[in-house]
Amino acid sequence: DAKTTQPPSMDCAEGRAANLPCNHSTISGNEYVYWYRQIHSQGPQYIIHGLKNNETNEMASLIITEDRKSSTLILPHATLRDTAVYYCIVRTTDSWGKLQFGAGTQVVVTP
Amino acid sequence: DAGVTQSPTHLIKTRGQQVTLRCSPKSGHDTVSWYQQALGQGPQFIFQYYEEEERQRGNFPDRFSGHQFPNYSSELNVNALLLGDSALYLCASSPVTSGSYEQYFGPGTRLTVT
Repeated sequence: DAKTTQPPSMDCAEGRAANLPCNHSTISGNEYVYWYRQIHSQGPQYIIHGLKNNETNEMASLIITEDRKSSTLILPHATLRDTAVYYCIVRTTDSWGKLQFGAGTQVVVTP
Repeated sequence: DAGVTQSPTHLIKTRGQQVTLRCSPKSGHDTVSWYQQALGQGPQFIFQYYEEEERQRGNFPDRFSGHQFPNYSSELNVNALLLGDSALYLCASSPVTSGSYEQYFGPGTRLTVT
């Protein structure tokens, strides 16, 4: 299974865009990139996923490079409630989709 | 529509004891996965149940076992508890027919082994 590399932490000012990088250089052609976040003392929450095209939903945008070796999660207007650990996950090739979490990126949004 | 629910919220057990944790999946979901999250680490996959059978298993010893009921709810059992079993145990559900395999997580059960 492909693994991911994320920075351990980053800060972001409230109202500004937060750009969270993720490296997945060994990703296979049929593996998706998923993003989850975990607010303190809660279960992880699904944010967005993609295969090769850029994706956008009400929470965030996902930009995947053409070679698919890295991606960036964009929170367009960060709020204090976006403070959380963000996990970049490459879904296993098994169709049942076991999730392999790494250490993630601790994002702190400051006023 | 209730999301994924887990019980109990917190639990304290003594080393060597046995524990059972419970999970009710989100309405319409038939697949349940269990994860263990140690303090400061990401969740680690334990196993997944579908149609009352274990479909996948992570790198956990046989002391960890589970069950899924006809109503899709699930239990996680841990025997011969060790201090290292202290963690947040998360349950996640997903619909097998979902093309995205998005998983919805419950709030977790905090297990402390003393």
